[in-house]
Amino acid sequence: EADIYQTPRYLVIGTGKKITLECSQTMGHDKMYWYQQDPGMELHLIHYSYGVNSTEKGDLSSESTVSRIRTEHFPLTLESARPSHTSQYLCASSESSFSSYNEQFFGPGTRLTVL
Amino acid sequence: QKEVEQNSGPLSVPEGAIASLNCTYSDRVSQSFFWYRQYSGKSPELIMSIYSNGDKEDGRFTAQLNKASQYVSLLIRDSQPSDSATYLCAVNVNQAGTALIFGKGTTLSVSS
Repeated sequence: EADIYQTPRYLVIGTGKKITLECSQTMGHDKMYWYQQDPGMELHLIHYSYGVNSTEKGDLSSESTVSRIRTEHFPLTLESARPSHTSQYLCASSESSFSSYNEQFFGPGTRLTVL
Repeated sequence: QKEVEQNSGPLSVPEGAIASLNCTYSDRVSQSFFWYRQYSGKSPELIMSIYSNGDKEDGRFTAQLNKASQYVSLLIRDSQPSDSATYLCAVNVNQAGTALIFGKGTTLSVSS
């Protein structure tokens, strides 16, 4: 089972602030993901990475950006937060392989509220 | 649009009963299927994965897959109050394993 850490767990900020949500994993997984989930709704993939220096946009359009400079670290940044960004952000990782059988393991999530 | 459909519930069962959760998906080329459990306010926790037609058992959980009918289910035997949660069905829709499509989940309530 993957150990994935997210900080902060809760964040309340004002409109226009720049924020970075941190995600780290200790299992050496090459693939990492960011999902967004609103209450009672399904998860939507917003970014993913195959490995260092690889980042791709997911199905859900997002104003956030990500970077992958180290295998274990996959931070998500919002340059100017807005109330529409209020949501839960979930980070996940899976082992490297070119297989569709990858199991994704989730971190505890960051609940973001933008006032 | 690739979709994963689940009955939102709530599904209510008494303690000790079998809970049956169902999921249908639209993409015929899907190769792998996952069930996650999500407690209120928490992140999803992987409980089962299944890749081949038939049944896969793990403790009190059994996943069933029928690719011809595009249907996957989760059975929970001897349901416990601690099983009360939302169960998410997820379907992989690409070879690289990056695109998991999630259903909205079925809320299960187990009464003691």
